[in-house]
Amino acid sequence: DAKTTQPPSMDCAEGRAANLPCNHSTISGNEYVYWYRQIHSQGPQYIIHGLKNNETNEMASLIITEDRKSSTLILPHATLRDTAVYYCIVQTSGSRLTFGEGTQLTVNP
Amino acid sequence: GAVVSQHPSRVICKSGTSVKIECRSLDFQATTMFWYRQFPKQSLMLMATSNEGSKATYEQGVEKDKFLINHASLTLSTLTVTSAHPEDSSFYICSAAQGGFGTGELFFGEGSRLTVL
Repeated sequence: DAKTTQPPSMDCAEGRAANLPCNHSTISGNEYVYWYRQIHSQGPQYIIHGLKNNETNEMASLIITEDRKSSTLILPHATLRDTAVYYCIVQTSGSRLTFGEGTQLTVNP
Repeated sequence: GAVVSQHPSRVICKSGTSVKIECRSLDFQATTMFWYRQFPKQSLMLMATSNEGSKATYEQGVEKDKFLINHASLTLSTLTVTSAHPEDSSFYICSAAQGGFGTGELFFGEGSRLTVL
């Protein structure tokens, strides 16, 4: 499974877009990029996933570079409730998810 | 989205006793569930993959006789921590995939916090 690299922490102002980067330079062709988040003392929450095309849903947008070696999760209008640890995971579909250290996003008023 | 429920959410037990944690998929069938453990300020660590009707697959370093997993139905998996000790105190989280794993989206339970005195 490809390893991911994320910054340990980021800050964002409430109402602004939060852009969370993830490097996955060793990703292989059949591996997806998944994003989950975990609010303190809760189970992780699925956000979005993609293979090579950009994806958007009601929560966020996922931008994957053309070479697929990195991606960015975009929360378009961050709120205080978006403060959480965000995990970028690269995995083949059908296999179990393994979590890295993630990025602690703090949304400030 | 699909709902996965864990029970109990918190449990305190004495050293040497066994504790059972339940994981239920409330509105879908899950042939595969996953059990994770999380220590304070650390990431989730996958413990085992629970398969309905067959033996669980444990990750390297996880004692199968210590952490008993039973996946007897398509909506229920249980994790039993046997002869619990203070070092087993942790946040245990289960997850399940709707529609069989392969859709890419896992749903997680709320977690169960175990404290062993």
